[in-house]
Amino acid sequence: GQNIDQPTEMTATEGAIVQINCTYQTSGFNGLFWYQQHAGEAPTFLSYNVLDGLEEKGRFSSFLSRSKGYSYLLLKELQMKDSASYLCAVRADTGFQKLVFGTGTRLLVSP
Amino acid sequence: EAQVTQNPRYLITVTGKKLTVTCSQNMNHEYMSWYRQDPGLGLRQIYYSMNVEVTDKGDVPEGYKVSRKEKRNFPLILESPSPNQTSLYFCASKGNYGYTFGSGTRLTVV
Repeated sequence: GQNIDQPTEMTATEGAIVQINCTYQTSGFNGLFWYQQHAGEAPTFLSYNVLDGLEEKGRFSSFLSRSKGYSYLLLKELQMKDSASYLCAVRADTGFQKLVFGTGTRLLVSP
Repeated sequence: EAQVTQNPRYLITVTGKKLTVTCSQNMNHEYMSWYRQDPGLGLRQIYYSMNVEVTDKGDVPEGYKVSRKEKRNFPLILESPSPNQTSLYFCASKGNYGYTFGSGTRLTVV
């Protein structure tokens, strides 16, 4: 089966750093995605990791360890607009190009 | 602009009345997919299509149909909607650089 776990909710303060963790157990693995989703809106792409290590893109970084089935999304210099849900998704090769999503982590950034 | 267009954005309907949610992409992507999103359950795949005339079931296909007669369009059909199909629906297409989602359709079945 496919299982992706991430915390339900996190809170942080404007200007701070927050790390959102994701662990996965899937029958196959062909990459991990992070998406940002504001309430009622479409998910938008943040990052993609297929090899172990850290990918940095501006204020956002994503890390992957395939041997541990673990990833995290790091958000620096938090802004109010970063309040959103963050979705971890794995491309499991049991289905052609299929993405399996975690339930998402709702991040609330306060002043 | 590269995009996935879904319509309608909001829909309230009654149990048993057939409806279609349209999805169109202008990126010439081969792979398209439908997801539903429910609180506490995340995004779950309903159906997907690898190319024209090639469709297959996802994780929660019961009560839904799809068709792929041309590459750009991938409509989702609810032949006899029921209240448990009240949800937020997203269409997505996949290109070389990841997945693009439509803006969503919030469906309420009463």
